[in-house]
Amino acid sequence: AQTVTQSQPEMSVQEAETVTLSCTYDTSESDYYLFWYKQPPSRQMILVIRQEAYKQQNATENRFSVNFQKAAKSFSLKISDSQLGDAAMYFCAYDKIIFGKGTRLHILP
Amino acid sequence: DTGVSQNPRHKITKRGQNVTFRCDPISEHNRLYWYRQTLGQGPEFLTYFQNEAQLEKSRLLSDRFSAERPKGSFSTLEIQRTEQGDSAMYLCASSSRATGTGELFFGEGSRLTVL
Repeated sequence: AQTVTQSQPEMSVQEAETVTLSCTYDTSESDYYLFWYKQPPSRQMILVIRQEAYKQQNATENRFSVNFQKAAKSFSLKISDSQLGDAAMYFCAYDKIIFGKGTRLHILP
Repeated sequence: DTGVSQNPRHKITKRGQNVTFRCDPISEHNRLYWYRQTLGQGPEFLTYFQNEAQLEKSRLLSDRFSAERPKGSFSTLEIQRTEQGDSAMYLCASSSRATGTGELFFGEGSRLTVL
């Protein structure tokens, strides 16, 4: 069975700095999607970034990028130039089925 | 507004009562998903539909939970004989098979409180 583990329940970062959120997963599949979703307080979850497992190149979306290590089953999210609006819960997800417990990110002004 | 819509947003009920939640997906999306999210946890997958077909329901939490999508458009999630442990946020999401990217579009959720 697939699993997703986010080992950092909470993190804080100074505004304009860079932060990395960790995610590891387990699967026996060779082709799959991985996602990072953001859930701001009292608002709906939105997609931050996705990675297709068969693509070796790490996905990037503006200030957000991933470090995808398929052999290690690691999928970390890097947020550069952190902004106050980045404060939220971040969930790592394997396909549409398995979500991690989340990391609450605080942005310090 | 063309996003995913969920109703009601909040529901307070007494233990033993039945509740039903409705989800209206993005109109061109043929896949619809239900999740449960409890405090401090990530979404827990319950079931999903492709058009009107329910393709996965083994993860529904018990036989008190059922979901329908009769015409391949909106969906309902019913919980019968509610228990206090059913208190949670129930999330609906939709996606389009056509895009192939697998991105989920979430609604704002329906919060259930069972007294």
